[in-house]
This record gives sequence, C-alpha cells and structure tokens, in this order.
Amino acid sequence: AQSVTQPDIHITVSEGASLELRCNYSYGATPYLFWYVQSPGQGLQLLLKYFSGDTLVQGIKGFEAEFKRSQSSFNLRKPSVHWSDAAEYFCAVGGSNFNKFYFGSGTKLNVKP
Amino acid sequence: KAGVTQTPRYLIKTRGQQVTLSCSPISGHRSVSWYQQTPGQGLQFLFEYFSETQRNKGNFPGRFSGRQFSNSRSEMNVSTLELGDSALYLCASSAAARGVDGYTFGSGTRLTVV
Repeated sequence: AQSVTQPDIHITVSEGASLELRCNYSYGATPYLFWYVQSPGQGLQLLLKYFSGDTLVQGIKGFEAEFKRSQSSFNLRKPSVHWSDAAEYFCAVGGSNFNKFYFGSGTKLNVKP
Repeated sequence: KAGVTQTPRYLIKTRGQQVTLSCSPISGHRSVSWYQQTPGQGLQFLFEYFSETQRNKGNFPGRFSGRQFSNSRSEMNVSTLELGDSALYLCASSAAARGVDGYTFGSGTRLTVV
C-alpha cells in the first residue's frame, strides 16, 4: 500500500539557520510529490511539486526539495529560516496511478528568535 | 484569480443535527476533494468529485455525503452529527482528476459539535 512518512513530528530551529524536513514514501514507481505548508487555522498552501526531470525542485518562499529515487525520499530544505516560516509542513504523494492523494502526518516547525 | 472559497468559516452545531458545507473551486477546476483534519487523525480523505461524478470515497460512514454541481461548486453534508465530527473540513480543487497537478486548498470550515 502507498504511504508517506514524515519521521519528525516537531522540529525547532533558530532563525537564520538552515532547515531540512524529511519525507519518505512507499510506492513501486515514482509518484508525483508535493510539499504543502499550513499556518494555524488555515488551509494548505502548495510550496512545490515534482513530476519528473530535474530532481532538485524550486518552490515558493525560498524552499527547495530534492527527489532521491534510491532513498524514496523527497526532503524539503531552506537555507535560512525566517520566523514567518513557523507552520506545519505536509508531504504528499499522488499521480495518475493513484486513486487519491496521500498525505504525511505533518512536521510542525518552530522557529526560535 | 480567486482562490478556493469555503463557507461558512466557522460553524457550531448540536449533536444529532445535520450540516452542509460549501466549496467554490478555482474557475476552470473540475476536481473537488474534501478532507477532514483533526489533531489526532491528521488529514483524512473524504471524497473526490470530478465533473459532477464521485470518483473516490474515503473510509467514512454514510452520514458523510457530497455532491458537485455543473458549475463545479461542491457541497458536503454530514447528518446526525456526533461530537467526533468536530474538525477542520478542507476543500481542495485542481484542474486534473485526483489532484495530479497539485491541489489548491480553501481556508476550511471549522465545525464544532456540542
């Protein structure tokens, strides 16, 4: 069965530090991969997506993600975190061979001043 | 262009009542999916509609239903509300079925059942 794992429930980083949020998926072929961000009480906003091609994907708000087929991973990164990045981040997989989107359980990011 | 609009934003209902939530997708988007989000269960898929047809349904009881109109607007209905139905209900739209091009989410409807 398809699944998405975000191993870190909570992460705290200092403002200005780099960030990496982990995401692993379980699926036979390469799915479409997505990262979303959710601020408290709000909906989810799409940060970036990967369909095929270049394995390093640039998104909005200075985020990027790298697809590693050998590790079944799609980790989200940001070189320098801002206080406004504090939110919950969700990894998701989908695709034409999927009957629905699969979301990870989310990683809550806290940013220390 | 306008985003996904969900109404109402907040709702308080009593156990046993029923509720209808509304979602207006981005213009041109034909796929609308609904998710329930709770602190304990995370994001759970309710159903997807594409061109007025239900394409897929999550593992929820029959009290949860939905429909999509010819203008792609969608409604979901929950009958005989239970305390456990308290959640943030999110609607998401996409141009392609199953959100393969990426979903755009609304801000959600916060339902509280008392």
